[in-house]
Amino acid sequence: GQNIDQPTEMTATEGAIVQINCTYQTSGFNGLFWYQQHAGEAPTFLSYNVLDGLEEKGRFSSFLSRSKGYSYLLLKELQMKDSASYLCAVLDSNYQLIWGAGTKLIIKP
Amino acid sequence: NAGVTQTPKFRVLKTGQSMTLLCAQDMNHEYMYWYRQDPGMGLRLIHYSVGEGTTAKGEVPDGYNVSRLKKQNFLLGLESAAPSQTSVYFCASTHEGDLYNEQFFGPGTRLTVL
Repeated sequence: GQNIDQPTEMTATEGAIVQINCTYQTSGFNGLFWYQQHAGEAPTFLSYNVLDGLEEKGRFSSFLSRSKGYSYLLLKELQMKDSASYLCAVLDSNYQLIWGAGTKLIIKP
Repeated sequence: NAGVTQTPKFRVLKTGQSMTLLCAQDMNHEYMYWYRQDPGMGLRLIHYSVGEGTTAKGEVPDGYNVSRLKKQNFLLGLESAAPSQTSVYFCASTHEGDLYNEQFFGPGTRLTVL
């Protein structure tokens, strides 16, 4: 079966750094996405990785290791507005997105 | 551009009632999707469409039907609603050939079936 695992909830302090991990087992791999979803709102795109390594985009970075079936999203200089759920999703061999349940990130002052 | 819009935003149904959720996009996207999101679970694909006049089943299609008569619209129908269909429904779209790019989501429809 296809499976994507990420922690249910994490807490971090404003101004700090947090790493959200995602592990996956899917039928095929055509890339991994990270989305941000604020409570009561729609998911919005953060990043896409298809090759191993780190992709940096401002305060957010995303890392991929295909051999390990592993990715992480790194958020630096945390702000209160970063309080949200972060969704990991893998594009499988049928080019359909398989979604993790999401990690709820709580930022404390 | 409005992006992806969904109507209605909220709805309460009684078991056995029917309804249609409307999704519209003004980005000329070929691909459109219907997902449901339930607490503690990832988004699950109900049905999708790769172009006008085409539809296909996703992971959880039972109890739902869809139609894509116009490129900009994707309708999701519930013929006989059940409490298990209480969920938040999201529509999304993406450009043909840009499967590696982001899906754009609508604001969601919160459906309760009593």
